[in-house]
Amino acid sequence: QVQLVQSGAEVKKPGASVRVSCKASDYTFTSHGISWVRQAPGQGLEWMGWINTYNGDTEYAQKFQARVTMTTDTSTSTAYMELRSLRSDDTAVYYCARGLTGSFSDFWGQGTLVAVSS
Amino acid sequence: DIQMTQSPSSLSASVGDRVTITCRASQSISTYLHWYQQKPGEAPKLLMYSTSRLQSGVPSRFSGSGSGTDFTLTISSLQPEDVATYYCQQTYGNQLSFGGGTKVEIK
Repeated sequence: QVQLVQSGAEVKKPGASVRVSCKASDYTFTSHGISWVRQAPGQGLEWMGWINTYNGDTEYAQKFQARVTMTTDTSTSTAYMELRSLRSDDTAVYYCARGLTGSFSDFWGQGTLVAVSS
Repeated sequence: DIQMTQSPSSLSASVGDRVTITCRASQSISTYLHWYQQKPGEAPKLLMYSTSRLQSGVPSRFSGSGSGTDFTLTISSLQPEDVATYYCQQTYGNQLSFGGGTKVEIK
């Protein structure tokens, strides 16, 4: 059964950075891309970007272009999302999700809560 | 960027009712439209992809239609386990986006 297991909750101060990990199992990691989606408390889903796990190509949402970096470690089948210069409105649950690069997501991680507070 | 608008934002219906959710794109997206179901406290789950293709394991009471800019998700007979928020997503081009969501409740 395909699984995406994300790292645990984080509490950060404004201006700091956070890195969320997403470890994939039970499929060939480089056969599918990974998207990152976030959800602020009580709000809808917001697409942040995706990474092609085969060649490392990325596409970021314009809103996050300057502050986000998505990477992978194919040796451990793990994807990472780093968000910099955190603000209080970055408080959200961050999800990784598997899909063909640039396409819909068929498996999702459990989500990682990132809370930004002074 | 392509904006996705869902309507209604919420609805309440009785068990057994036919429920329809609409998603409109700000420009044509062909059939690159997908639907997700999210229950409280859970990650989203893929329901329908490429407008009308049912994801494996999803009950056949769910169906999808549309093309271009206007799309619908229909639940033919609402069940208690369908209480959730439903999101559409477009994957036309490189900048993906979601609709604002439709919360479905039982009357």
